[in-house]
Amino acid sequence: GAVVSQHPSRVICKSGTSVKIECRSLDFQATTMFWYRQFPKQSLMLMATSNEGSKATYEQGVEKDKFLINHASLTLSTLTVTSAHPEDSSFYICSARGWTEYYGYTFGSGTRLTVV
Amino acid sequence: QKEVEQDPGPLSVPEGAIVSLNCTYSNSAFQYFMWYRQYSRKGPELLMYTYSSGNKEDGRFTAQVDKSSKYISLFIRDSQPSDSATYLCAMQGGSEKLVFGKGTKLTVNP
Repeated sequence: GAVVSQHPSRVICKSGTSVKIECRSLDFQATTMFWYRQFPKQSLMLMATSNEGSKATYEQGVEKDKFLINHASLTLSTLTVTSAHPEDSSFYICSARGWTEYYGYTFGSGTRLTVV
Repeated sequence: QKEVEQDPGPLSVPEGAIVSLNCTYSNSAFQYFMWYRQYSRKGPELLMYTYSSGNKEDGRFTAQVDKSSKYISLFIRDSQPSDSATYLCAMQGGSEKLVFGKGTKLTVNP
């Protein structure tokens, strides 16, 4: 089945530093990748949508200069949280859309970011 | 009115019970309906995928879509403790974005 690899699974960083999260589709090409944020006991909140080689489209209220998204190839997207602060601590999940058994969405395993 | 409504539960059932999970929606453009299972601190895992109205069965899981009522269901037969998780309905149509329900937390007690 389709697999999306997300790294790291957990990261702790100091306030003011930047953190990069990587999302790879291992066995299919992702025409579109999505980045979500999930707070405890909440559903997934879409942050941005990206297509390979294009600028990401951010949802209302998401700071594009803080959450930098790069979709360098059909199998790789990265999310960089710049100048992280404790309020950025959250669970971040990527999703890749491409042809697998159907033209659907496969999720990564998530990254728990803690900013201290 | 939210685009997708899902009772967050929690729902607690004994092992072997039939579980019924539901979502309602308001956007007529939705054509694709999905159910995801999410274990704590993990990404969502696709359980069922349905296009338009109808039923779909996969092992112990059955998904139903009634577009006329804007209502979708997931049934789990012979529920197991390993089914304990949060179940998210998701829908798509009109754009590439998935719209999620809030998720229902299910606990199956041995």
